[in-house]
Amino acid sequence: DAKTTQPPSMDCAEGRAANLPCNHSTISGNEYVYWYRQIHSQGPQYIIHGLKNNETNEMASLIITEDRKSSTLILPHATLRDTAVYYCIVRAGLNTNAGKSTFGDGTTLTVKP
Amino acid sequence: EAGVTQFPSHSVIEKGQTVTLRCDPISGHDNLYWYRRVMGKEIKFLLHFVKESKQDESGMPNNRFLAERTGGTYSTLKVQPAELEDSGVYFCASSHNRGHNSPLHFGNGTRLTVT
Repeated sequence: DAKTTQPPSMDCAEGRAANLPCNHSTISGNEYVYWYRQIHSQGPQYIIHGLKNNETNEMASLIITEDRKSSTLILPHATLRDTAVYYCIVRAGLNTNAGKSTFGDGTTLTVKP
Repeated sequence: EAGVTQFPSHSVIEKGQTVTLRCDPISGHDNLYWYRRVMGKEIKFLLHFVKESKQDESGMPNNRFLAERTGGTYSTLKVQPAELEDSGVYFCASSHNRGHNSPLHFGNGTRLTVT
């Protein structure tokens, strides 16, 4: 699997957009970008995933660069409850074991009032 | 729908003892995964079941760890005998299928402390 690089920590003001970057320069053509987050004492929570097109769901948006070497997770209006560790994972899809993941260190996002 | 549940939430045992962790996946999810985070380390994959069959157990650290999923429903992870380095949080996750459009749903983990 391609390795990902994320900043260790970020701050965001409540109500503002949180933009979390992820570098995955060694990503290959069949690998998807997944984002999960872990709020203290809970298990990781799926947020969103994509291959090459930008994706949006009720939680967030995922912007993937044209060369697919990096992506950005956007929380459009961050709340205090979005404070968590955010993990960017690259994983091959289609008939592969999409659960065989190592989560890396992630980005600790702190939303401040 | 009920989420992935894990029991117990916490377990404190002495070195050399045996502990069994249980995971109940989301109903209908054929795929069940075990992960763990040991102190200061990343969350790492341990193994993957498809129904009752072990599909991939390449992440299991050694033969003191035994996972089962009889009947393809709940799963257990037994550590026997436990060592100090086994302390950490053990997560279970399930998914409907193994492909990219079936994200993982995690339980809240079992925090294991070996003293």
